Amino acid sequence: NAGVTQTPKFQVLKTGQSMTLQCAQDMNHEYMSWYRQDPGMGLRLIHYSVGAGITDQGEVPNGYNVSRSTTEDFPLRLLSAAPSQTSVYFCASSRDRVENEQFFGPGTRLTVL
Amino acid sequence: KNEVEQSPQNLTAQEGEFITINCSYSVGISALHWLQQHPGGGIVSLFMLSSGKKKHGRLIATINIQEKHSSLHITASHPRDSAVYICAVPSSGSRLTFGEGTQLTVNP
Repeated sequence: NAGVTQTPKFQVLKTGQSMTLQCAQDMNHEYMSWYRQDPGMGLRLIHYSVGAGITDQGEVPNGYNVSRSTTEDFPLRLLSAAPSQTSVYFCASSRDRVENEQFFGPGTRLTVL
Repeated sequence: KNEVEQSPQNLTAQEGEFITINCSYSVGISALHWLQQHPGGGIVSLFMLSSGKKKHGRLIATINIQEKHSSLHITASHPRDSAVYICAVPSSGSRLTFGEGTQLTVNP
């Protein structure tokens, strides 16, 4: 099993550009989530999904969109990148609930100029 | 929303020392996670516990549900234990709230 994979590992964008961060898992997990990690702050939830076709907002959803058309994939879209979105982004999955063991992807380091 | 506080924020130890990291939360929970973030950035799950104590190698995690408190202990610490240790608890809905993490440095 590859576990949770994220692409790209690094990305530099200019303000106003859009892009999609990819996340995939091969463990047939129902619960998937996106977090951002900023210096001096804990991981913060952007969006999450409890199954294919179901998504919901987390703490910091503004400027981001998600969709969950399959169990395996949970892409995060930045609609119009802003410098405030410079961060490290982690995707995570668990079997079916947030109380279950969490599996994290390797992260994507995004810089918005 | 469940508020999570970890202490200490930073901890420096000598190899071999016994280490304790604490986590307190504000709202009753069904489970608590301890995670480790390596210097390279990757995050791995160490423990998920809902009561009592769990042990894995030199790592021990305990939780007191009534007191809303959990501790992570490392026995016979080693430089390879140097990492950020993060506590996380379920919050409103299907969400996790994370502590800010404890940066542990173990010197040889």
